Order: sequence, then structure tokens, then C-alpha cells
Amino acid sequence: DGGITQSPKYLFRKEGQNVTLSCEQNLNHDAMYWYRQDPGQGLRLIYYSQIVNDFQKGDIAEGYSVSREKKESFPLTVTSAQKNPTAFYLCASSVPGRDQPQHFGDGTRLSIL
Amino acid sequence: AQSVTQPDIHITVSEGASLELRCNYSYGATPYLFWYVQSPGQGLQLLLKYFSGDTLVQGIKGFEAEFKRSQSSFNLRKPSVHWSDAAEYFCAVDPSGAGSYQLTFGKGTKLSVIP
Repeated sequence: DGGITQSPKYLFRKEGQNVTLSCEQNLNHDAMYWYRQDPGQGLRLIYYSQIVNDFQKGDIAEGYSVSREKKESFPLTVTSAQKNPTAFYLCASSVPGRDQPQHFGDGTRLSIL
Repeated sequence: AQSVTQPDIHITVSEGASLELRCNYSYGATPYLFWYVQSPGQGLQLLLKYFSGDTLVQGIKGFEAEFKRSQSSFNLRKPSVHWSDAAEYFCAVDPSGAGSYQLTFGKGTKLSVIP
């Protein structure tokens, strides 16, 4: 079955470390997205990519970086510059165009040790 | 500022009772509208969507939503709630109305169901 795989499910980071969250999709979708979810805050867009080798900042990009070298992969790096990284991170993908909603992975929960 | 508002943070209903979750948006044009559901520790699943046409849309799991332009609302309804409906529900908007899919989400409504 096609879908979005996020790994790991749980991730722990020490202060000052960069960590990378994986997102892989086999839906052949052109667009991919990263969201951060905090309790009571809904989802906030970090970065998005409409095509390979191109991506744009979302509403809360500071302290994060991404790459889009392959259509199926959109890894997110949480850098040491992100002062409050503890959150639930969700990756999504979609086909650009009408009637094509975003499909979500099951998320990665990042915690600071 | 453009926004999506879900006024109810937490709703509790009895199993078998009807349900209405509210969503209001503040955008000039008619946006694309979505409702998603999230079980604890999971990703989001699309319940239904509205782009144009009939203002009453049917979704999965027996849910429906009605778009009311005059009230800038897109409320989610279900006639009879099941215990398995307990989850968090998010209203989302694509304000561009052009399918660019830069979604803006409401803060969510958590639904609890009393057996």
C-alpha cells in the first residue's frame, strides 16, 4: 500500500545537537510538507516543497532546515538554533491541483534530554 | 489577519448523541476547506473536503459538513456518535482557493465520548 513513512517514531536530542527526521513517501506526490504540532496549537507549517530541488519556508522555519534531492524523500533537520524543539512533527504530501488533499504520516515525537 | 477558528477546545458527548463541531474562517474569497481527524499519537486522516458546488458535503465515517458563505463557517456534523469517534478534529483552510495546499489549521477540538 502507498503511504508516508516517518522515522523514528520517538527521538531524543541532547542540548546543542542537530537531529534529522526522516520522511519517505511512495505515493508519487510532487509536493511535501513538514508541520510542527504542539498541544492546543494545531499544526504549523515549517517548510514545504512543490518539486525536487526546491523548497520554501513556512510560518516557523527558524531553527529548521530541509532538503529535497529525491521526489520521495523530504528530511527535516532540527538544528541547535531551535530553542524549543520538543514537539510532534508531521510530514505530509500531496499532488498539486484541485481535489487533492494532503496525506499525512504518523509523526515523530522529538524530546530534549 | 487571516485565520481559522475552532471555538470549542473540548467537547464531550454521549454515545448515540448528535455532534456538531464548529469552524469559522476569516478570508476574503471562498477558500478550499477540509476536516481532518487525529487519533492520539497518529497522523491526520481526511474526513471530507469542500471546493465548490453543493454546500453540504459527505465524508467518511458518517460525517458531513455544511459550508455557509454568509457565516464564513464550515461546521462538521454527525447524527449519532460512536465511541470510536473519540479523537481530535482539525478544520483546515487553503486560503488561496487555487489548490496550492499551504494549509492553515485551526487549533483543534478534542472529542470525548461517554459510553
